[in-house]
Amino acid sequence: AQSVAQPEDQVNVAEGNPLTVKCTYSVSGNPYLFWYVQYPNRGLQFLLKYITGDNLVKGSYGFEAEFNKSQTSFHLKKPSALVSDSALYFCAVRDDSSYKLIFGSGTRLLVRP
Amino acid sequence: DTGVSQNPRHKITKRGQNVTFRCDPISEHNRLYWYRQTLGQGPEFLTYFQNEAQLEKSRLLSDRFSAERPKGSFSTLEIQRTEQGDSAMYLCASSLPGQANTGELFFGEGSRLTVL
Repeated sequence: AQSVAQPEDQVNVAEGNPLTVKCTYSVSGNPYLFWYVQYPNRGLQFLLKYITGDNLVKGSYGFEAEFNKSQTSFHLKKPSALVSDSALYFCAVRDDSSYKLIFGSGTRLLVRP
Repeated sequence: DTGVSQNPRHKITKRGQNVTFRCDPISEHNRLYWYRQTLGQGPEFLTYFQNEAQLEKSRLLSDRFSAERPKGSFSTLEIQRTEQGDSAMYLCASSLPGQANTGELFFGEGSRLTVL
């Protein structure tokens, strides 16, 4: 069975500092990994995905994520946080036996000025 | 606006009533998904369509829930005999065909259901 864990309910970081939002996963086949962001009163937006290839994937708004197969992790990162990055972030996974995405419980990112 | 459109945005109903939500996906997207999201949780998968075919359905989708996509365009999600536990945000998403696009979903803003 597929599952995703986001161990932190909230991450606090100062503007200009690097940020990391953690995600670990469990799948039975090859993992396909995704990050989505949800701003207040707006729909979920796709940020980036890992399908195959380079372990470091780049996405929208300057975000990137690092796939680590041995640690079954896919942490979201950004070198320099902006106040406007404050939002709810969801990690998601699917394997190649299913079309559905399984989402984590979400991590609230708060970037203080 | 060419994004995913969901209606109504908010529905308040009494327990035992039936409700129906509609989703209009992005026009060239042949894949359509329904998810449910409760406060403090991530979206939970309900069902998936490719064109008009319902290819996958969650065990969360009890016999009170039914989804259709009759012409492969818009979709409806009906909940019969609503219960207070059905209160949630119902999210629709669509995506382009192809393995590479699987998982890259475009979400609507959701339909919030409140069951009194």
